[in-house]
Amino acid sequence: DAGVTQSPTHLIKTRGQHVTLRCSPISGHKSVSWYQQVLGQGPQFIFQYYEKEERGRGNFPDRFSARQFPNYSSELNVNALLLGDSALYLCASSPGWGYEQYFGPGTRLTVT
Amino acid sequence: GIQVEQSPPDLILQEGANSTLRCNFSDSVNNLQWFHQNPWGQLINLFYIPSGTKQNGRLSATTVATERYSLLYISSSQTTDSGVYFCAVGEGGGADGLTFGKGTHLIIQP
Repeated sequence: DAGVTQSPTHLIKTRGQHVTLRCSPISGHKSVSWYQQVLGQGPQFIFQYYEKEERGRGNFPDRFSARQFPNYSSELNVNALLLGDSALYLCASSPGWGYEQYFGPGTRLTVT
Repeated sequence: GIQVEQSPPDLILQEGANSTLRCNFSDSVNNLQWFHQNPWGQLINLFYIPSGTKQNGRLSATTVATERYSLLYISSSQTTDSGVYFCAVGEGGGADGLTFGKGTHLIIQP
């Protein structure tokens, strides 16, 4: 069975631009969460979507938004990129509430 | 929000040694997971253990939820065990996001 997939693998953007990251969960999983990991730190929770509705949001500015599609895949959007947005963005899927989460390989975003 | 503290932050051991990594958390949890992050950034699931004890080969984990800590044991370490180990907890309730500790950076020397 395929695990969580994310695209693209790497991305370089300029300050002020917009970026869209994509995630496909494990087949049968209905919950997708997004995390940001900056160098030397543990991942930080950004959003969780379950059954296409936002169910949780971490302490991130409104420049960050996300959505989940009918097939349970998800997009993370970041507007007006800042240098500090450079990080590894991780997507996790789980069957539902309170279950074990499985992570994708991540998208490494560099903002110059 | 919930606080997660991992210790030690760094650990250097010789191949074949045993190690114990600790995770303390500040509130009750409905989810606790241990991960190994490889050099390419992939988080590999080791244990889903909100309470009790589990074993998988040379690795085992114990969570004492009433005392708010979890331990990860690695026996007979191999160089491939090197990397960063994260503990992450979920509080349940309205949101299901995991809160991660800062990790333990483990180096196994041959």
